Amino acid sequence: QVQLRESGPGLVKPSETLSLVCSVSGYSISTGYFWGWLRQPPGKGLEWIASIFHSGSSSHSPSLNGRVTISVDTSKNHVSLTLESVTAADTAVYYCARHETAMGFDSWGQGTLVTVSS
Amino acid sequence: SYVLTQPPSISVAPGQTATITCGGDEIGIKTVHWYRQRSGQAPVRVIYNDHDRPSEIPERFSGSNSGNTATLTISRVEAGDEADYYCQVWDRRHDDYVFGGGTKVTVL
Repeated sequence: QVQLRESGPGLVKPSETLSLVCSVSGYSISTGYFWGWLRQPPGKGLEWIASIFHSGSSSHSPSLNGRVTISVDTSKNHVSLTLESVTAADTAVYYCARHETAMGFDSWGQGTLVTVSS
Repeated sequence: SYVLTQPPSISVAPGQTATITCGGDEIGIKTVHWYRQRSGQAPVRVIYNDHDRPSEIPERFSGSNSGNTATLTISRVEAGDEADYYCQVWDRRHDDYVFGGGTKVTVL
């Protein structure tokens, strides 16, 4: 059974870069599926950030204005996310999830809270 | 960008049926997925591909999609169904995964 676990700094200062890692176990990323990052600000709904295929092909939300980079390391079986120039509006629980277009997001990590504050 | 509209909240008595709608322009030609998120927990997929149900989800959960509205139906509602529910589609035109605003289901 696939398991996903997010890890990150917890606290990031405004204007700095947020870096997160999603470690995958129980399934090899090289086998297939898309691997995505999503977030949920406190008390608000879900927002998709970016996704990547094991080949490295990726896409990201138009609303994040190019601040996002997603990458995959098949040797470590993990997916990374960086978000540049963060502001308080980027404070959220960040989730990684496995997905396919016809299947939806079928497996999720437990999420990691990132707070942007000086 | 593509917009999905859900009612913010609904209330239902135990044993009754909860109906959650998700409105979008010609959503009937898109593939809709639904997620349940209990308080403090990560989302869980409950319906995919409009109406398919993962094996671990009870048969009480069903989905449909036609025209401008997709619907998640929870039959014989139980206290454990109390949660936020989100619909989601892939907007091919903008290569964007879009979520509805979520519906809070309260079991009376």
